Amino acid sequence: DAGVIQSPRHEVTEMGQEVTLRCKPISGHNSLFWYRQTMMRGLELLIYFNNNVPIDDSGMPEDRFSAKMPNASFSTLKIQPSEPRDSAVYFCASSGGQGWQETQYFGPGTRLLVL
Amino acid sequence: DQQVKQNSPSLSVQEGRISILNCDYTNSMFDYFLWYKKYPAEGPTFLISISSIKDKNEDGRFTVFLNKSAKHLSLHIVPSQPGDSAVYFCAASYSGNTPLVFGKGTRLSVIA
Repeated sequence: DAGVIQSPRHEVTEMGQEVTLRCKPISGHNSLFWYRQTMMRGLELLIYFNNNVPIDDSGMPEDRFSAKMPNASFSTLKIQPSEPRDSAVYFCASSGGQGWQETQYFGPGTRLLVL
Repeated sequence: DQQVKQNSPSLSVQEGRISILNCDYTNSMFDYFLWYKKYPAEGPTFLISISSIKDKNEDGRFTVFLNKSAKHLSLHIVPSQPGDSAVYFCAASYSGNTPLVFGKGTRLSVIA
């Protein structure tokens, strides 16, 4: 299995531009998570999908952030417009169950730099 | 307000010795705890977990200890190896469909 796949691995953009991060979860997994890692806040959950349905988006910082999961094998996290404070590493993770005690498998992350 | 705290940002240990990574939590509702390990340019990978009904869980060189009264858990690595050099994240959750809460991580360096 290829594991969780994220693209792009690195993104540099200018303030105000739209950024789209992509994630392909492990085949057969029915839960998908988007996390953001920063020095100040550590690793924080942005949004969680189960069976393609958003369950908890309380971590999404503001309306500039949106996430979709149109099918079981693909999800996007979009930032529009992007700001310098959005610079961080964004991780996607998937798990095979719907409980929080199921092991989550993380992708390699997308390092985003907003200038 | 940080519910899961890893107060040591870094730790340096000699190869062959024991590494002890600590984690404190404030929410007494937490009943499941995990450790994740992260290498540079990779995502975190699951290492070991423990339920609140236990006070110890062991997997090879890795042992996690849980002290519920102190709201404290620790990860012991014995013996430490250079390949263990990574950032270790502590995470916690509780029953009832709540998200994992991660600590900020501790960077372990194992010196040969």
